[in-house]
This record gives sequence, structure tokens and C-alpha cells, in this order.
Amino acid sequence: DTGVSQDPRHKITKRGQNVTFRCDPISEHNRLYWYRQTLGQGPEFLTYFQNEAQLEKSRLLSDRFSAERPKGSFSTLEIQRTEQGDSAMYLCASSLDLGGVDEQFFGPGTRLTVL
Amino acid sequence: AQSVTQPDIHITVSEGASLELRCNYSYGATPYLFWYVQSPGQGLQLLLKYFSGDTLVQGIKGFEAEFKRSQSSFNLRKPSVHWSDAAEYFCAVGNFGNEKLTFGTGTRLTIIP
Repeated sequence: DTGVSQDPRHKITKRGQNVTFRCDPISEHNRLYWYRQTLGQGPEFLTYFQNEAQLEKSRLLSDRFSAERPKGSFSTLEIQRTEQGDSAMYLCASSLDLGGVDEQFFGPGTRLTVL
Repeated sequence: AQSVTQPDIHITVSEGASLELRCNYSYGATPYLFWYVQSPGQGLQLLLKYFSGDTLVQGIKGFEAEFKRSQSSFNLRKPSVHWSDAAEYFCAVGNFGNEKLTFGTGTRLTIIP
């Protein structure tokens, strides 16, 4: 399977714990995005990378959230001191920069439940 | 700021009937418009996109959408739905130079026999 993969698919944690999610994009894609989707809502943009550079961060991304893409390939999203409001589906997408608005390919998501 | 409105939260259609899902966007310049479908446990799959040119775009699985600038709409249509079309459908808008997509809240499609 050469699509976007995410790990884990499900994560249950207790409030206050730290969690880390991983996203592996399509191999030739140089852009990588993180979105958050809560129940009954569409995905909301969190941040995106062009290669290893993080170029934009949403105001939704509080100080407890950090994302990295150290070698321009896979990315991690860490949430520190989780809160119940962090419970959501975290979606990763990747695209190939062709000089316009790219088609983003989405992974299956990581569903986070904070107890 | 760009925004997307999908006024129908849930639509029920009989198998074989036609379908139209509504999408209205708000954006000052020419938008880039997308329709995605999300099935349970699956990632978002792109159905079709509009960047420029012909305002009627064809997508996968027999879907099409029409861009109407005067109505700020990009409605999704299918002439005859199949039971496998049951899913959540999201309209999204992007714009050149701003890579993030802004999604609507989605329309859940139920197919009845």
C-alpha cells in the first residue's frame, strides 16, 4: 500500500498524559498536513510542512501541541498534558507541490480518546 | 476568511435515485473547490476538484459537480446512487498560496433499498 499511513489507529489515554502520533506520507510528496476532526465536524487545519520546514500553524495548535518532520519524510504530532477536549480524530495528509493548490491525500486517521 | 457551508446534515435517498448535495463557499477570489468522501474507518478520498476552466467537473464513482460563481455554490450530483455511496461527504475550499483546506461540516448520506 503506497498511501498515507498513520500509527496508531486508536489511542486511549488518561488526562494529563502525553501522546505521540506518527504519519508516513506518500514517498514522493514534499508537503505534509495535520488536521483535527471532532464528531459531527469537518476536518480543521492544524499545521503543514514543506519538506522539513513547518510553514504554518493554526491558532488551534496550542502550546501543548508540537509537530515535527525531521528529515522531510515522516512526521510526528505530540500532545502534552492531554485534556478531554483533545479527543478527536487526527488526520494526516500529504501532497506534491506542483506550484498551485495540490491534491491532498489523506491517511485513515488516529482516533484519540482522553479519559 | 474562507468558509464552507453544507446546509444538509443528513440526506436519505433511495437506491437508484438521483442525488444532489449542496455546498456554498465564501471566498473573495477564485476558489479551488473539492469534494471528499469519508467512509467509516477510512480516510478522506477525493471525489473531484475544480481549479478553473469548465464549470462542470467529472469525478470518480460517477459523481459530478458544477461551479456556479454567481451563487457561490459547488453542488455535488450523481444521477443514480448505489448502496455503496452511503458515507459522509465533505466540501472543501482552498486557494492559491494558502495550502490549507477549509472544510464544511459534512453531509451524511444514507441509502435505503
